[in-house]
Amino acid sequence: GQNIDQPTEMTATEGAIVQINCTYQTSGFNGLFWYQQHAGEAPTFLSYNVLDGLEEKGRFSSFLSRSKGYSYLLLKELQMKDSASYLCAGLDSNYQLIWGAGTKLIIKP
Amino acid sequence: IAGITQAPTSQILAAGRRMTLRCTQDMRHNAMYWYRQDLGLGLRLIHYSNTAGTTGKGEVPDGYSVSRANTDDFPLTLASAVPSQTSVYFCASSLEGGNTDTQYFGPGTRLTVL
Repeated sequence: GQNIDQPTEMTATEGAIVQINCTYQTSGFNGLFWYQQHAGEAPTFLSYNVLDGLEEKGRFSSFLSRSKGYSYLLLKELQMKDSASYLCAGLDSNYQLIWGAGTKLIIKP
Repeated sequence: IAGITQAPTSQILAAGRRMTLRCTQDMRHNAMYWYRQDLGLGLRLIHYSNTAGTTGKGEVPDGYSVSRANTDDFPLTLASAVPSQTSVYFCASSLEGGNTDTQYFGPGTRLTVL
């Protein structure tokens, strides 16, 4: 079966760094997406990885290890506006996205 | 219009009623998607369309139908609503389907079936 696992909730402090992990099992693999979703709003695209390694984009970075079926999203210099859910999604062999339930990130002052 | 719009924003519906959720995009994207999002679950694909005139079934298509008469519009119809269809529904689009193109989401429709 296809499955995406990520922690349900995490808490971090403003200004700190947090790493949100995601493990995936998909039928075939065509990449891994991360989306941000603020409460009551639409998911918005953050990153896409298909090759192993770290991709940095400002305060946000995303890492992929295909051999381990593992990805993480790294958020640096946390701001209160980063309080949101972070959705991990794997792209399967049919190019359909398989979504995790999301990690709710709570930022405390 | 900029991006994807959905209507209505929210709706309360009696069980057994027919309901159409509307989705329109102005990005000239070929592919469009309907998802439902339920607490504690990931987004689940209901139906998709890779180009105008074609549609396909996703993970949870039962009780839903779609049409794609033109590039911009992709309505989702619940023929006879049931309480288990209470959910938040998101429409999304991508430049092309069947590849790695990023999906862009509309603001969602919150549907409650009583």
